[in-house]
Amino acid sequence: AQKITQTQPGMFVQEKEAVTLDCTYDTSDPSYGLFWYKQPSSGEMIFLIYQGSYDQQNATEGRYSLNFQKARKSANLVISASQLGDSAMYFCAMRGLHAGGTSYGKLTFGQGTILTVHP
Amino acid sequence: EADIYQTPRYLVIGTGKKITLECSQTMGHDKMYWYQQDPGMELHLIHYSYGVNSTEKGDLSSESTVSRIRTEHFPLTLESARPSHTSQYLCASMRTGSWETQYFGPGTRLLVL
Repeated sequence: AQKITQTQPGMFVQEKEAVTLDCTYDTSDPSYGLFWYKQPSSGEMIFLIYQGSYDQQNATEGRYSLNFQKARKSANLVISASQLGDSAMYFCAMRGLHAGGTSYGKLTFGQGTILTVHP
Repeated sequence: EADIYQTPRYLVIGTGKKITLECSQTMGHDKMYWYQQDPGMELHLIHYSYGVNSTEKGDLSSESTVSRIRTEHFPLTLESARPSHTSQYLCASMRTGSWETQYFGPGTRLLVL
């Protein structure tokens, strides 16, 4: 079984500052992927960044970076230089990467964190 | 940019009606998924398919049913809608591959009166 925990129901940040959204996970899969999605008020889910459990380096995509600490089972999202358009719900998710495993291809989501960017 | 479509975007319907939520993708992805999400809450997987004529129930029990007759099409049906079915329904698809991610459609917001 897999579990994702996001302990911050809401976060506030000033425009142009950096913010970290927390995510911890638990899994019995030997290899797994961690994902972050953004959900604006319009409802669609936008893929932001991916980290494989076997990756040696932390993933980065533009202003998004993933602070992956495998021993602590954490995969925090860091957004640098926040913009007003970053205000949204953010979800951490994971799935197993081993074909044939029960969690292969199926994402498990956390509860989400609402981020509000102030001007 | 992912090409996955859902219709209708919004649906208000009375109790007892049969409804079908459409989901189509033009990327040739073999895997498709349906999630249910209440406002401000996490997503729960209700159905998935790993190919044509393959469908499985997800982690959250649902009274809905799905079919996968064509690769690109994965409709969800509720035979008799109830107020408890009021929610957002999100469809997603993914190509087979360990590094692949799921791409989501815009969602259908369903309100059953």
